[in-house]
Amino acid sequence: DTGVSQDPRHKITKRGQNVTFRCDPISEHNRLYWYRQTLGQGPEFLTYFQNEAQLEKSRLLSDRFSAERPKGSFSTLEIQRTEQGDSAMYLCASSLEEAFFGQGTRLTVV
Amino acid sequence: DAKTTQPPSMDCAEGRAANLPCNHSTISGNEYVYWYRQIHSQGPQYIIHGLKNNETNEMASLIITEDRKSSTLILPHATLRDTAVYYCIVRVPDSGGSNYKLTFGKGTLLTVNP
Repeated sequence: DTGVSQDPRHKITKRGQNVTFRCDPISEHNRLYWYRQTLGQGPEFLTYFQNEAQLEKSRLLSDRFSAERPKGSFSTLEIQRTEQGDSAMYLCASSLEEAFFGQGTRLTVV
Repeated sequence: DAKTTQPPSMDCAEGRAANLPCNHSTISGNEYVYWYRQIHSQGPQYIIHGLKNNETNEMASLIITEDRKSSTLILPHATLRDTAVYYCIVRVPDSGGSNYKLTFGKGTLLTVNP
């Protein structure tokens, strides 16, 4: 499968714990995006990388969130001190022209 | 990116054509119309995009009005697997230099009935 891969698919964590998600984009895609989606809403943009450079962050990305793309290939999204409001689907996409999305990581904070 | 307006939901009978409308009255001259869909619990899937000419691919057809203020996505023979939320998005196309993030609305939930 040469699509965008996200791991894990599901994560349940206790409030206050840290979580980290991984995204492996399509190999030749230099642009990578993270989105968050809550129930009944469309995906909302969080942050964008071109190669290893993080070029834009949404106001939705609070200080507890950090994203990296160390070698311009895979990316990680970390949430520190999780809150119940962080419960959502976290989607990764990569693109050259059209964006291709992964299946997402569903986070549940209990 | 220009704002789009879509009906919240539509129904379609299996085997019939599904016509999903989208209004984008404030679209700029260099903005394309993109369509994505999201099947339950999956990531969004690219369908088609166009500027002003009608476009067709193996998934769907895109009809854009001459004034470009609205468009229609056509699934010619809808199947049960086409049940999904369909998002219409307008933006400038990727050209390698900037953040061409997608701004999603709530989309249209298309339900294909047997």
